[in-house]
Amino acid sequence: DAGVIQSPRHEVTEMGQEVTLRCKPISGHDYLFWYRQTMMRGLELLIYFNNNVPIDDSGMPEDRFSAKMPNASFSTLKIQPSEPRDSAVYFCASSAMARNEKLFFGSGTQLSVL
Amino acid sequence: EDQVTQSPEALRLQEGESSSLNCSYTVSGLRGLFWYRQDPGKGPEFLFTLYSAGEEKEKERLKATLTKKESFLHITAPKPEDSATYLCGTYSSASKIIFGSGTRLSIRP
Repeated sequence: DAGVIQSPRHEVTEMGQEVTLRCKPISGHDYLFWYRQTMMRGLELLIYFNNNVPIDDSGMPEDRFSAKMPNASFSTLKIQPSEPRDSAVYFCASSAMARNEKLFFGSGTQLSVL
Repeated sequence: EDQVTQSPEALRLQEGESSSLNCSYTVSGLRGLFWYRQDPGKGPEFLFTLYSAGEEKEKERLKATLTKKESFLHITAPKPEDSATYLCGTYSSASKIIFGSGTRLSIRP
């Protein structure tokens, strides 16, 4: 298996632009998580899905952030409009079952908002 | 408030110099304390889960232990390839997986 695949690896954009991050989870995994990592705040859970349904989005910082999972093999995290404080590494992770702390992370998207 | 705190933030060791990383937690009703390793430019990779005080798990030069308030990741005779950021985490009271800020470990040859 290729593991969790994220794209793009790097994204540089200007403040106010829309940013879309993409994730392909491991086939057969029912849970998908979006995390954000910064030096100041560490690894923060933004939202997670079970069987394509959003379960908990309480970590999404503002209405500028939205996430979708149209099918079992694809998810997006969108920021519109983007701001410099959104600069971070965004990780997608998937797991096979509930209460399974063995998450498989992608390589992340390094986002820089200028 | 549910919280995971790791110390030190960074640790530099000489190859072969054993040490320990600390992870303290404040959650009501621990349902698992886990450790991940993160290499630069990559996502975290799962290492261990500990479920009850007194439990220990080992993998190569790493051994994780757990008490009622904290966990330690002991590294014995480390090698340069053990250099990475080590993250610990647990379940919050809302059953979400939360992580500490990590310890950046650097092993000099």
